[in-house]
Amino acid sequence: AQKITQTQPGMFVQEKEAVTLDCTYDTSDQSYGLFWYKQPSSGEMIFLIYQGSYDEQNATEGRYSLNFQKARKSANLVISASQLGDSAMYFCAMREPSADRGSTLGRLYFGRGTQLTVWP
Amino acid sequence: DTGVSQNPRHKITKRGQNVTFRCDPISEHNRLYWYRQTLGQGPEFLTYFQNEAQLEKSRLLSDRFSAERPKGSFSTLEIQRTEQGDSAMYLCASSPQGPRGYTFGSGTRLTVV
Repeated sequence: AQKITQTQPGMFVQEKEAVTLDCTYDTSDQSYGLFWYKQPSSGEMIFLIYQGSYDEQNATEGRYSLNFQKARKSANLVISASQLGDSAMYFCAMREPSADRGSTLGRLYFGRGTQLTVWP
Repeated sequence: DTGVSQNPRHKITKRGQNVTFRCDPISEHNRLYWYRQTLGQGPEFLTYFQNEAQLEKSRLLSDRFSAERPKGSFSTLEIQRTEQGDSAMYLCASSPQGPRGYTFGSGTRLTVV
């Protein structure tokens, strides 16, 4: 079963508008971490935002916020005031739960990504 | 130290040849990871080091793949007898101990012809 599901292969948004990228995850663990990465055409994976499963507040980093709904197992990324430079592939990922307890495991599970295009 | 460095950025090789990639992590990070990303997919985990110890390997890492991290610093990923299916972006990442995420390098794009 997929641990991370991103159902939107592509999204389009006009410059200066807000956009929400969907992500649902699957885990039976109580302790886990959720991440969003941006991958421009150059290929580098750029960390955007992190949400721990025990964090009570939704994470925010500048124009990025994570809409964390634990009961629904969703971790949607909201980008406010979109810019042309936001056009890229966006990946949602979950850290192997046991890594948060200091075990030897530390892999990330990634979704298939959403291609965001910002138009003027 | 400004980030994770990967070399080369691009590699084109003929089928059957061996290739080796290098990753230099952020110096204070003791964890190092290799991922493979094929077109249209998210990165998939290959292997993981904590210091010099290789603690986990994915089933994706066939016998033709080997990774090392001597002295717990840089790491190399070698692919022997390359096949066209090995064409992908190979990403390296490092992280400190704890729950937060990684810093990725820019990747090595391998094309097997």
